[in-house]
Amino acid sequence: GESVGLHLPTLSVQEGDNSIINCAYSNSASDYFIWYKQESGKGPQFIIDIRSNMDKRQGQRVTVLLNKTVKHLSLQIAATQPGDSAVYFCAENHNDYKLSFGAGTTVTVRA
Amino acid sequence: DVKVTQSSRYLVKRTGEKVFLECVQDMDHENMFWYRQDPGLGLRLIYFSYDVKMKEKGDIPEGYSVSREKKERFSLILESASTNQTSMYLCASRLAGPYEQYFGPGTRLTVT
Repeated sequence: GESVGLHLPTLSVQEGDNSIINCAYSNSASDYFIWYKQESGKGPQFIIDIRSNMDKRQGQRVTVLLNKTVKHLSLQIAATQPGDSAVYFCAENHNDYKLSFGAGTTVTVRA
Repeated sequence: DVKVTQSSRYLVKRTGEKVFLECVQDMDHENMFWYRQDPGLGLRLIYFSYDVKMKEKGDIPEGYSVSREKKERFSLILESASTNQTSMYLCASRLAGPYEQYFGPGTRLTVT
């Protein structure tokens, strides 16, 4: 079946460093991708999205890169802060109604 | 800001009970979704609704049903709760089309 997966289940990063979280997807027909952040005890929170006609999009301290050739998505967080500690999910949309989510990467920021 | 609320944060039910999980959104979104989240499995779609009185099965609908009588409210029903339905349940809503989904805070359900 088609699925969205993450390369690493955990990532430990020093405060102030940049973080890169990776995600591989398998459905070449997917046209929309989202990154979510989930803090402990809370629902997922939208971070940034990108459509398949783009290869890069920037937000506040975050950048999403899309490589359709190898079906790879990444989230870069600049100057990682303690508040960035959370589980990060990528999700893909390949029809109008459904998102498929990866299992998540747990990011821990070291002081 | 979009707000998605869920009726309970924590719920404990006994095996065989009928369980109702309620979700309300205040942004006039057409689409609403119910997921369950389990360690190592990510978010799995149970049911979704693309409009009032419309519903579609997701990836794991067995043991669940849903109701959407009003646009702002989407209910998940466990007809006869079982221990394997112990999980975190998340509701989400969005505008119709490929847009971000907004999530509620989740309901942690324990079935004993």
